[in-house]
Amino acid sequence: DQQVKQNSPSLSVQEGRISILNCDYTNSMFDYFLWYKKYPAEGPTFLISISSIKDKNEDGRFTVFLNKSAKHLSLHIVPSQPGDSAVYFCAASSSGSARQLTFGSGTQLTVLP
Amino acid sequence: GAVVSQHPSRVICKSGTSVKIECRSLDFQATTMFWYRQFPKQSLMLMATSNEGSKATYEQGVEKDKFLINHASLTLSTLTVTSAHPEDSSFYICSASTQASPLHFGNGTRLTVT
Repeated sequence: DQQVKQNSPSLSVQEGRISILNCDYTNSMFDYFLWYKKYPAEGPTFLISISSIKDKNEDGRFTVFLNKSAKHLSLHIVPSQPGDSAVYFCAASSSGSARQLTFGSGTQLTVLP
Repeated sequence: GAVVSQHPSRVICKSGTSVKIECRSLDFQATTMFWYRQFPKQSLMLMATSNEGSKATYEQGVEKDKFLINHASLTLSTLTVTSAHPEDSSFYICSASTQASPLHFGNGTRLTVT
């Protein structure tokens, strides 16, 4: 049973426009959520996170929104740049799990010039 | 920022041999390290949690006798794939954290068993 789901395996966006990547989770114990970016043959790189006490966290072009009632979070990238093209993983953890992360299956973002 | 170094980045071995993968935290002490495995076009699957000075905790379905984990110091964890088989071919990634930081990942090891 997938506890973290990214239902869109791929997304294409024009440069300069907004990219919205979505993630759903089922485990109500999750209280910390992260987004990672991954290039081929490299490990994931931390992008941005949000704890369950907040509903929005912003860092430059990246904003993460959390809707706890819907168990849904999204990552907004604006404006999108070709260098943002990568696989984006949503991950979640609970405070009692020693920082173990449960990952979604990833979304391949392609930003077209 | 924090850096996690994983070595080797790529290894090809023959069936039946053992392969050791190292994961080092370069500028911080990692109380906990994690080992993940990724199949093509799939998510990162947690294999085991490694705490310095104690036995690793394996996820359900992961054979602890096949995937030996040693976390001898606060900066080094090793994963040894014993008696490797072609089905063990995969991308293995380690990560490390302190209490205050999000997980930082190594660049992964592509294992190919022929």
